[in-house]
Amino acid sequence: DVKVTQSSRYLVKRTGEKVFLECVQDMDHENMFWYRQDPGLGLRLIYFSYDVKMKEKGDIPEGYSVSREKKERFSLILESASTNQTSMYLCASSLRQIEAFFGQGTRLTVV
Amino acid sequence: AQSVTQPDIHITVSEGASLELRCNYSYGATPYLFWYVQSPGQGLQLLLKYFSGDTLVQGIKGFEAEFKRSQSSFNLRKPSVHWSDAAEYFCAVARYNNNDMRFGAGTRLTVKP
Repeated sequence: DVKVTQSSRYLVKRTGEKVFLECVQDMDHENMFWYRQDPGLGLRLIYFSYDVKMKEKGDIPEGYSVSREKKERFSLILESASTNQTSMYLCASSLRQIEAFFGQGTRLTVV
Repeated sequence: AQSVTQPDIHITVSEGASLELRCNYSYGATPYLFWYVQSPGQGLQLLLKYFSGDTLVQGIKGFEAEFKRSQSSFNLRKPSVHWSDAAEYFCAVARYNNNDMRFGAGTRLTVKP
């Protein structure tokens, strides 16, 4: 089975901190995604990557950056965390558009 | 960019009743369409997908969905709902020969005994 692993289920960070959310997939998928999930807004695409060192902005990239140095790992970086970035973050991977596989999510609270 | 609309934020049905969750998409060409389910505290699980061919697709857990190009819709159905179907359901669209995927806002399903 495909496995997408997010490094933390829960995180609490302080305003202004630099935050790293890590995601690893074990199926050699080309595409990896970071979404943010908020009640009533569904999943909003922050960034996606279709190859190593390649990235594309999604719908809400402001305040975030990403890194993909290896095919299996896709990191989301909050350069200076703010309270409005408190949310559930979901990582996913896919082989083209066939199907996206999701991690369990990281619930981030910024205080 | 493509977009997805799920008009119903919350639906309540009785156990054993039929279910239909609505999904409309906006995209100029033939999209790839998906339905995902999310149980509380969990990630998303794929229920079914449509790429081409037969417009009625079958998925897991007894769900099916019908693609209607003329209505830009991809509604999810189940003839008889079980209490374990209570969850949040997301419709998603992806573009052919592209790598991004967009989701709707989700519909939360409550099942009454």
